[in-house]
Amino acid sequence: AQSVTQLDSHVSVSEGTPVLLRCNYSSSYSPSLFWYVQHPNKGLQLLLKYTSAATLVKGINGFEAEFKKSETSFHLTKPSAHMSDAAEYFCVVRSNSGGSNYKLTFGKGTLLTVNP
Amino acid sequence: NAGVTQTPKFRVLKTGQSMTLLCAQDMNHEYMYWYRQDPGMGLRLIHYSVGEGTTAKGEVPDGYNVSRLKKQNFLLGLESAAPSQTSVYFCASSRDGISTDTQYFGPGTRLTVL
Repeated sequence: AQSVTQLDSHVSVSEGTPVLLRCNYSSSYSPSLFWYVQHPNKGLQLLLKYTSAATLVKGINGFEAEFKKSETSFHLTKPSAHMSDAAEYFCVVRSNSGGSNYKLTFGKGTLLTVNP
Repeated sequence: NAGVTQTPKFRVLKTGQSMTLLCAQDMNHEYMYWYRQDPGMGLRLIHYSVGEGTTAKGEVPDGYNVSRLKKQNFLLGLESAAPSQTSVYFCASSRDGISTDTQYFGPGTRLTVL
């Protein structure tokens, strides 16, 4: 079984300040973890993914995330928010099990608002 | 390179009507998926396909049918639409089913059932 909890449904930051979007996961097997971004009325775009290589993963647009097994967390960060970062962000887990490892489990999303 | 495309972008149905949503991908991917997105729920898997001619149920399959007659296309059908099927529907595809593989998403279809 696998699950994802995004700890904040809404995060509001000022432009130029750091962004932190929190994600905890549970998985019976070693997981792959993803962050997707969805801009208003758009599809989902992959920001970054963790696949058991380096625990600090760098993605597009200056985002990065750190896999912490002991804390079962995969928080997304960015040093300085830009207005164009305003969107909804989804944390996603996928188990490395033999049977159904195609299956993605999505968090409920975190809406990021960036204030000028 | 178009990636994953979906037709139509918007649709309004009356209860009991039927319709088909079309998903097409040009990346030669084996796996294709249909999800629905509801407010505060994230995305939930309806049906998926691991190759041409195959389909399987996801976590919320009731009220939907699918077909994968060609590798590049994945159709989602609603035989008798209900208001509970009002949602945004996303199609996705991936090269294979291994856990590290990325799923690529289409732009979505917004469906309203009155």
